[in-house]
Amino acid sequence: AQTVTQSQPEMSVQEAETVTLSCTYDTSENNYYLFWYKQPPSRQMILVIRQEAYKQQNATENRFSVNFQKAAKSFSLKISDSQLGDTAMYFCAFMNLLPTTSGTYKYIFGTGTRLKVLA
Amino acid sequence: NAGVMQNPRHLVRRRGQEARLRCSPVKGHSHVYWYRQLPEEGLKFMVYLQKENIIDESGMPKERFSAEFPKEGPSILRIQQVVRGDSAAYFCASSPVDRVSGEQFFGPGTRLTVL
Repeated sequence: AQTVTQSQPEMSVQEAETVTLSCTYDTSENNYYLFWYKQPPSRQMILVIRQEAYKQQNATENRFSVNFQKAAKSFSLKISDSQLGDTAMYFCAFMNLLPTTSGTYKYIFGTGTRLKVLA
Repeated sequence: NAGVMQNPRHLVRRRGQEARLRCSPVKGHSHVYWYRQLPEEGLKFMVYLQKENIIDESGMPKERFSAEFPKEGPSILRIQQVVRGDSAAYFCASSPVDRVSGEQFFGPGTRLTVL
């Protein structure tokens, strides 16, 4: 069974600084997606960035980038030039690219990292 | 361009009552997922449905919980005889048929409080 581990329950960073959130996962599959979602106090789940496992190049979205290490099963999120609006819970998630025998494409989430950006 | 809609946003029930949570997926999406988020925890998969079919309910408690996604209308997650431990945020997500991007689009969630 796949698992996703986020070992940092809470982190803080000064505004305009850079912070890295860690995520490790365990799977025997070769083809999958990894995601980072942001959940602000409103509780809305917002997709931050997505990585396809078959792509060696790390995904980037503006101030957000990932360090994807497939062999190490590591998927960290780097936030550059942190802004107050980045304050939120951040969840790492895993999804099989090919369905399991039951045909499901469910997400497996980590327990989250609460990020606070300090003014 | 409406996203996933869930209602109600907040639901209060007394122990033993029924809770009915509704989810309207993004227009054109035929795959719906329900997740539960307990306080201070991540989201846990409950059930995956396509129109008129339950594909995977491996995360659903065996008793009191049921889900449907009829041919017409929203997907419904029903919790019978609620208990305090059912208090949580329930999120619905949808995805298109091709699922090429892998992305699921999440609704704002329903926060259920059981008194």
